[in-house]
Amino acid sequence: AQTVTQSQPEMSVQEAETVTLSCTYDTSESNYYLFWYKQPPSRQMILVIRQEAYKQQNATENRFSVNFQKAAKSFSLKISDSQLGDTAMYFCAFMKQNFGNEKLTFGTGTRLTIIP
Amino acid sequence: DTAVSQTPKYLVTQMGNDKSIKCEQNLGHDTMYWYKQDSKKFLKIMFSYNNKELIINETVPNRFSPKSPDKAHLNLHINSLELGDSAVYFCASSQSNRFTEAFFGQGTRLTVV
Repeated sequence: AQTVTQSQPEMSVQEAETVTLSCTYDTSESNYYLFWYKQPPSRQMILVIRQEAYKQQNATENRFSVNFQKAAKSFSLKISDSQLGDTAMYFCAFMKQNFGNEKLTFGTGTRLTIIP
Repeated sequence: DTAVSQTPKYLVTQMGNDKSIKCEQNLGHDTMYWYKQDSKKFLKIMFSYNNKELIINETVPNRFSPKSPDKAHLNLHINSLELGDSAVYFCASSQSNRFTEAFFGQGTRLTVV
């Protein structure tokens, strides 16, 4: 079974600073996908970024980028030029390549607060 | 034009009651899920359906019964509600074999008193 660990329950940074959220996972699979989801106070789950394990290149989406270290089973999220709207719970999630039987395994989340 | 919509958004009920949560998606996806988020914000899958067929049932008590009348709908019926069932329940959908994001509904906050 896969496990996902987020070791930082809470973090806070000043607006415009850069922050990195950590995530490690444990799996024996070779083909899988990793995600970061954001859950603002509205409760909506929003995809931030996705990484395919077979790709060495780190995914980026505007101010969001990941540092994917497959050998170390690490998948951290970097938020540059943080904004007040980035305040949310952030969940790291794992999905193995299991055709017709996909499911997301989530970490316990990191509560990020951006301070004005 | 909500992609995944759940009703109701809030549900307060007494122990022992039976309640249902409905979910609909207009994305044309063939797979739908129920996830449970507990009071510590931990999210865990409960069920998944692919083309109306139950695929995943993650050791959920029998009091929980999902039903998928068609690919666009997945309902969750809960019998004999218990205090421990209080949580936020999320419906989600995705297209199988593409391994792209799952789209989530806004969640139903269930409070059992």
